[in-house]
Amino acid sequence: DADVTQTPRNRITKTGKRIMLECSQTKGHDRMYWYRQDPGLGLRLIYYSFDVKDINKGEISDGYSVSRQAQAKFSLSLESAIPNQTALYFCATGSSTDTQYFGPGTRLTVL
Amino acid sequence: GESVGLHLPTLSVQEGDNSIINCAYSNSASDYFIWYKQESGKGPQFIIDIRSNMDKRQGQRVTVLLNKTVKHLSLQIAATQPGDSAVYFCAEHRGSTLGRLYFGRGTQLTVWP
Repeated sequence: DADVTQTPRNRITKTGKRIMLECSQTKGHDRMYWYRQDPGLGLRLIYYSFDVKDINKGEISDGYSVSRQAQAKFSLSLESAIPNQTALYFCATGSSTDTQYFGPGTRLTVL
Repeated sequence: GESVGLHLPTLSVQEGDNSIINCAYSNSASDYFIWYKQESGKGPQFIIDIRSNMDKRQGQRVTVLLNKTVKHLSLQIAATQPGDSAVYFCAEHRGSTLGRLYFGRGTQLTVWP
């Protein structure tokens, strides 16, 4: 079984809709991250959390929100999706050694 | 501004040859580096890492070299195989921002039979 899982794997939605992407992990890590990947660009950090009561903005948090429901669960929401949020979204977990492990990704298309 | 970047966006090699993928960084406080492999349609996969108190680290068919003087990192893949075809990213951890990684844009490695 995968250590980091993401649901859904693919999603097509319309402008203005609310979308939630979910991430869960069995690695037992305290740290969790949401990244966005666009063609030709590196991974950009949206939000991250070092424990259940800790939420931090990353480089590109505008238009996104997150919820850390438990140590193992970290969800990303787009309150009102817009076309330029079309991208690949990755969840990652992090250990205290700073290594990060990624999920399989969610491909989101906003029409 | 400070960034993690790659010298070459694409690299093509013949099966069996050695591959070298390069990465430059500019932050002097960077203390930890990771190479990731990303195959099409998949998430980045950890390959190998190195801390700033080391110059070289070897894994199975892979070696990472760190030159702190010129702020340069490389990934060497020995006897490259078709299954090595992927995008390779370097990532750096900066001592000033604990727990965060900064990623380069990646190099596309293509292995020809």
